[in-house]
Amino acid sequence: AQTVTQSQPEMSVQEAETVTLSCTYDTSESDYYLFWYKQPPSRQMILVIRQEAYKQQNATENRFSVNFQKAAKSFSLKISDSQLGDAAMYFCAYRSTYIIQGAQKLVFGQGTRLTINP
Amino acid sequence: DAGVTQSPTHLIKTRGQQVTLRCSPISGHKSVSWYQQVLGQGPQFIFQYYEKEERGRGNFPDRFSARQFPNYSSELNVNALLLGDSALYLCASSLAVVRDQETQYFGPGTRLLVL
Repeated sequence: AQTVTQSQPEMSVQEAETVTLSCTYDTSESDYYLFWYKQPPSRQMILVIRQEAYKQQNATENRFSVNFQKAAKSFSLKISDSQLGDAAMYFCAYRSTYIIQGAQKLVFGQGTRLTINP
Repeated sequence: DAGVTQSPTHLIKTRGQQVTLRCSPISGHKSVSWYQQVLGQGPQFIFQYYEKEERGRGNFPDRFSARQFPNYSSELNVNALLLGDSALYLCASSLAVVRDQETQYFGPGTRLLVL
């Protein structure tokens, strides 16, 4: 079974600075998806960025980028020019690409609470 | 376009009761998944439905059941509620279950408190 580990329960950063959130995962599969979701106090889980394992290029979405190291099974999220609205719980998630029973589920890490200091 | 909607937003029940949670997917999405998020933890997968058929089930007891309707909306039912069922229940929808159509978008959740 796949597992996802986020080793940083809490992180804080000054507004306008850059912060990196860590995520490692364990899988025996070679093709899969990785995600970062953001969950603000409003509880809505918002998709931040998506990475396909077969693509070597790191995904980027505006101020958000990832460092995907497949061999190391590492998937970190970098937030540049941090803004107050970035404050939230951030979850790393894994999903298999196999179209078989139960394979489409997202496997989440424990989350990292990010605080932005003005 | 409307996102995933869930009802009710909050719910208080007592032990032993039954509860039904509802989810409407994004228009055009045919797959719905349910997750349980206990306070301070990441969401845990409960069910996935696609085209009204169960496509996956997480490690939850038979007290948990779900179904999907012809309009692709879904209900999650929990019988014989326990205190440990208190959680945020999240619904997520995706276009389909094939590659590049299976990214899941979440609703705001239903907060269930069991007393």
